Amino acid sequence: DIVMTQTPLSSPVTLGQPASISCRSSQSLVHSDGNTYLSWLQQRPGQPPRLLIYKISNRFSGVPDRFSGSGAGTDFTLKISRVEAEDVGVYYCMQTTRFYTFGQGTKLEIK
Amino acid sequence: EVQLVQSGAEVKKPGATVKISCQVSGYTFSDQYMYWVRQAPGKGFEWMGLVDPEDGEALYAEKFQGRVIITADTSTDTVYMELSSLRSADTAVYYCVTAVITFLDYWGQGTLVTVSS
Repeated sequence: DIVMTQTPLSSPVTLGQPASISCRSSQSLVHSDGNTYLSWLQQRPGQPPRLLIYKISNRFSGVPDRFSGSGAGTDFTLKISRVEAEDVGVYYCMQTTRFYTFGQGTKLEIK
Repeated sequence: EVQLVQSGAEVKKPGATVKISCQVSGYTFSDQYMYWVRQAPGKGFEWMGLVDPEDGEALYAEKFQGRVIITADTSTDTVYMELSSLRSADTAVYYCVTAVITFLDYWGQGTLVTVSS
C-alpha cells in the first residue's frame, strides 16, 4: 500500500494568517495515464469529509480560492492564504492513483 | 445537487452482520463507481471496497476480503455495504462515497456502527 505521511499533525494559526500542510507519499503518485491523483479533504467537527482539491491543484466545486494545492511526484502541499474561523477542522491528503489511502490528518486550530 | 443519504446508526453484537444503505440522487447512478470508506474513532480513513452499479462488479480491499459484500440496486439508486463477523475493532463511522467529477468526491453523511457485547 502507498503510505501517506502528513506534517505537521497539528497547526495553530492566527486568523487572517496563512497555513500550510505537507503530505509525502511512499511512492510516486504519477498514474500511467499521466495524471497525479492527489487530493485534499477537509473534515469539520462532526461533519463528513469534504473534497477541497483534486489532482494536486484543482479546486473542487464551491471551494474558496484561498485554498490552493501544489507539488509533484511524492511531495505535496495544501496552502490556505488567509485562515478564517470556518477553516477549523482536520485536513487529510488522499491518493487515488493506486487504490485509495489517506494521510493521518492535520488538525487546524485557531491560536 | 448530488446527495448521498445513508441509513441510521446501528448497534451490533460481536459476530453479527451489519448492512448499511446509501441512496444517491443528483446524477446518473449507473455512470459512476460507488465506494465505502470507514473511519474508526480517533483513527484515519480506510477504503473498504467499491462497486460498479452498471454491472454489479465489486472490488474489495484485501483487509476486508471475505467479510464485506458491496451491492448496488439501480432500480432505487441505492448501494449497500454488508460487513460480517463483526468485532469491536469494526466500531467506526462508515461512509459511502461517489466519483462524479473525480475519485471520492461526494461523501454521504456517515453511519455509526457500534460493536459491543
